[in-house]
Amino acid sequence: GENVEQHPSTLSVQEGDSAVIKCTYSDSASNYFPWYKQELGKRPQLIIDIRSNVGEKKDQRIAVTLNKTAKHFSLHITETQPEDSAVYFCAAAYPSGSARQLTFGSGTQLTVLP
Amino acid sequence: DVKVTQSSRYLVKRTGEKVFLECVQDMDHENMFWYRQDPGLGLRLIYFSYDVKMKEKGDIPEGYSVSREKKERFSLILESASTNQTSMYLCASSPPSGSSGNTIYFGEGSWLTVV
Repeated sequence: GENVEQHPSTLSVQEGDSAVIKCTYSDSASNYFPWYKQELGKRPQLIIDIRSNVGEKKDQRIAVTLNKTAKHFSLHITETQPEDSAVYFCAAAYPSGSARQLTFGSGTQLTVLP
Repeated sequence: DVKVTQSSRYLVKRTGEKVFLECVQDMDHENMFWYRQDPGLGLRLIYFSYDVKMKEKGDIPEGYSVSREKKERFSLILESASTNQTSMYLCASSPPSGSSGNTIYFGEGSWLTVV
C-alpha cells in the first residue's frame, strides 16, 4: 500500500516569514495530493490539492508543488499570519476499486509567532 | 455545503463496553470512511464503505467493525472497548472515485475516552 512521510513534525516561523512542509510518497500510481488544515478542536479542511498532471498550483498565499519523478510534494505558505497556526496534513490517493483511499502523512504543527 | 455530522462529540466509556459512533452525511456520497487520529500518527484509516452494505478494511481494522445500512449513515462499532482505543475518531465522506471534485469531507470528530 501507499506510505506517506511528512516533515517536519513541528515548525515555528515568525509572522510574515514563509513556511514549507514536505511530503514523500511511495506508490507511483498515486495521482491526487490534497493538503488539509486542522485548527485546534476542529475538523480537517481541504486547503489546496494537486493532481499528477500538474507540477504546481497556487491559491493566494499558499502553493503546492509536485515532483512525480522524485515522488515528493510540498506546501508553501508565504507571508504567514497567526491564523495560519494549525496542524497541516498531506495525503496521497490512488484509485482502489470504486473508492478513493487517502493515505495521510503524520501531520505538521505550524506555529506562527507574532 | 457538505455536512458530515457525528452524533457524539465527547464520550467516556468503560473497558469492555460496546460503543457505537454514528455518522450521517447529507450529500448523497457513495464513499464513507472512519479514521482515527492520534498525536504523531496522523489520520489512520479504520474502515471504509463504497456502497450500502459494502465495507472494506483500512489500515487498522482490528477491534472495530462497521455498519452501513443506509447510504447516508455509517456507524463505527467497538465490540469491547479497550483503553488503547482512547482517541479522536473522524468520519468522512466523498463522491465516487474519478468524479470531479472528489474531495473528502470530514465530520467534527468524536473524542472517545475508555477508562
